[in-house]
Amino acid sequence: DAGVIQSPRHEVTEMGQEVTLRCKPISGHDYLFWYRQTMMRGLELLIYFNNNVPIDDSGMPEDRFSAKMPNASFSTLKIQPSEPRDSAVYFCASSLNKRGLAGVLSTGELFFGEGSRLTVL
Amino acid sequence: GENVEQHPSTLSVQEGDSAVIKCTYSDSASNYFPWYKQELGKRPQLIIDIRSNVGEKKDQRIAVTLNKTAKHFSLHITETQPEDSAVYFCAASQRGRRALTFGSGTRLQVQP
Repeated sequence: DAGVIQSPRHEVTEMGQEVTLRCKPISGHDYLFWYRQTMMRGLELLIYFNNNVPIDDSGMPEDRFSAKMPNASFSTLKIQPSEPRDSAVYFCASSLNKRGLAGVLSTGELFFGEGSRLTVL
Repeated sequence: GENVEQHPSTLSVQEGDSAVIKCTYSDSASNYFPWYKQELGKRPQLIIDIRSNVGEKKDQRIAVTLNKTAKHFSLHITETQPEDSAVYFCAASQRGRRALTFGSGTRLQVQP
């Protein structure tokens, strides 16, 4: 597998413009996560999906941010309108959660994409 | 929600020395504690993890210890090498929740 694929790798845009970041998770993984990384705030969880359904979007900063996962192989994170404070590296990650011997699901390794570096001028 | 604190923020050691990074977590329901390494300009990658039913785990030069009572866990790197230079993140996952809450990161520099 090619791993988690994100696009674009770099995006420079002007304040007020719409930005769409894309992610293709590892095939067969049932969880997809969007994280944002900045020097000041580190790695912040924005939202995550299980089997294409959003589970927790409490990390989404405000209504300007939205995320979708229309199918198991594709997700988007959209910012509209963008602002300079949105400048960051946005990581998508996926995982496959495993059932142990006792039948209990446990958290699996997160596989991160290369990230999308967003600069809003 | 979960809160993970990580110390120190920077760590410089001589090649061959040991390095220790410490994290504390707030939610006693957390049961999964991975460590990720991020090289400059690259993605975070898992290097070792531990679950709450285990107190220590070792993989070659790296080891992780967990103290559930005190709610802290640590990463130990022995015989450090220049290629160990990177930012290391600890993380915690609450029982029933698959997302990770990350610490603020430790920049480790190994001087040759």
